Amino acid sequence: GENVEQHPSTLSVQEGDSAVIKCTYSDSASNYFPWYKQELGKRPQLIIDIRSNVGEKKDQRIAVTLNKTAKHFSLHITETQPEDSAVYFCAASRNRDDKIIFGKGTRLHILP
Amino acid sequence: DSGVTQTPKHLITATGQRVTLRCSPRSGDLSVYWYQQSLDQGLQFLIQYYNGEERAKGNILERFSAQQFPDLHSELNLSSLELGDSALYFCASSADRGNYGYTFGSGTRLTVV
Repeated sequence: GENVEQHPSTLSVQEGDSAVIKCTYSDSASNYFPWYKQELGKRPQLIIDIRSNVGEKKDQRIAVTLNKTAKHFSLHITETQPEDSAVYFCAASRNRDDKIIFGKGTRLHILP
Repeated sequence: DSGVTQTPKHLITATGQRVTLRCSPRSGDLSVYWYQQSLDQGLQFLIQYYNGEERAKGNILERFSAQQFPDLHSELNLSSLELGDSALYFCASSADRGNYGYTFGSGTRLTVV
């Protein structure tokens, strides 16, 4: 069935360094790959997404890359800041109004 | 405020009881999705409704059911509750056009004692 694997489950980086989170997906029909950030006790919020017709997308300090052949995609956060500390979820979906399957999340700690 | 409204925010109930969680999607969104998030767990997809019809089903227990009403709000009914049903239940909605992606509500924290 559909599955999204995410690693690492926990990641600690020094403030100012970069963080990378990697995901793989099983459903080859997936075309939409969002990333959500969830702060403690709050709702998940969409931070960036990519569709299968592009290989990379950037938004300020955040970038996502997609390799459809290998069925994996990654989130890159540069110049990390304390407010980047949160749980990050990758996800995959076939279409706009299809269910989204989430990875198990990565808890990112930014160390002072 | 995300535009997706979930009530109640917190619910404490005893094992064996039944509860109803309510979700109002963003104005104009036809799809509603329900997810369960247990402690230190990811977001488990339960069920999706689109314009009143069930569209997709995930790992939803038979003790759980949902529906979407003509005004597009949705209710998730959880019955014969067990301790293991304690979790954060999120509702999300998505649009038919424009930006992709879900908008989540703030969730209902269910505690079964």
